Amino acid sequence: EVHLVESGGGLVQPGRSLKLSCAASGFTFSNYDMAWVRQAPTKGLEWVASISPSGGSTYYRDSVKGRFTVSRDNAKSTLYLQVDSLRSEDTATYYCARHPEFGILYFDYWGQGVMVTVSS
Amino acid sequence: EIVLTQSPTTMAASPGEKVTLTCRASSSVSYMYWYQQKSGTSPKLWIHDTSKVASGVPNRFSGSGSGTSYSLTISSMETEDTATYYCQQGRSYPPTFGGGTKLELK
Repeated sequence: EVHLVESGGGLVQPGRSLKLSCAASGFTFSNYDMAWVRQAPTKGLEWVASISPSGGSTYYRDSVKGRFTVSRDNAKSTLYLQVDSLRSEDTATYYCARHPEFGILYFDYWGQGVMVTVSS
Repeated sequence: EIVLTQSPTTMAASPGEKVTLTCRASSSVSYMYWYQQKSGTSPKLWIHDTSKVASGVPNRFSGSGSGTSYSLTISSMETEDTATYYCQQGRSYPPTFGGGTKLELK
């Protein structure tokens, strides 16, 4: 059974950083594109970033380019999101999600999410 | 970026009623994907490739559409179907979501 478990969220001041993690199990992590999707309180879903199986290709939404970095450690079956220069508009629940196949841009499994609150 | 517009934003249906949720794309896409999200939980893939129901999803759910117009239909509303449903396109980066339709029980 596929499991995705996020961690690393919390309350952080504007301009500071956090590193989110997503521990994957139940599938061969190194074979799949992975993604981060966020949801601001009471709002809809917003794709943030994706990464190829090797980590060699990464993709970001415009509003986070240069501030967020997605990475992965296939030996540890773990996905990461380094979030820097945080803004109030980054406040959201961040979900780790799996793309079903290489290059296919939807999400077949989701984690339970981790909350990031940016506030002074 | 492809913008997805879902309608209605909110609706209420009675048990046994047929329900249709719509999603319109600002440009033509080949497939549409749908997710169900219940309050306080993470989204679940509900329909993929426009009309393929995900594993474990009741067969009262179906999807259809092409080009810029897509829909999710529930043939007979049940209590457990109360949730927010999001459409999503994956033609190219960035993948985008609709604003969601909140489906309530009447």
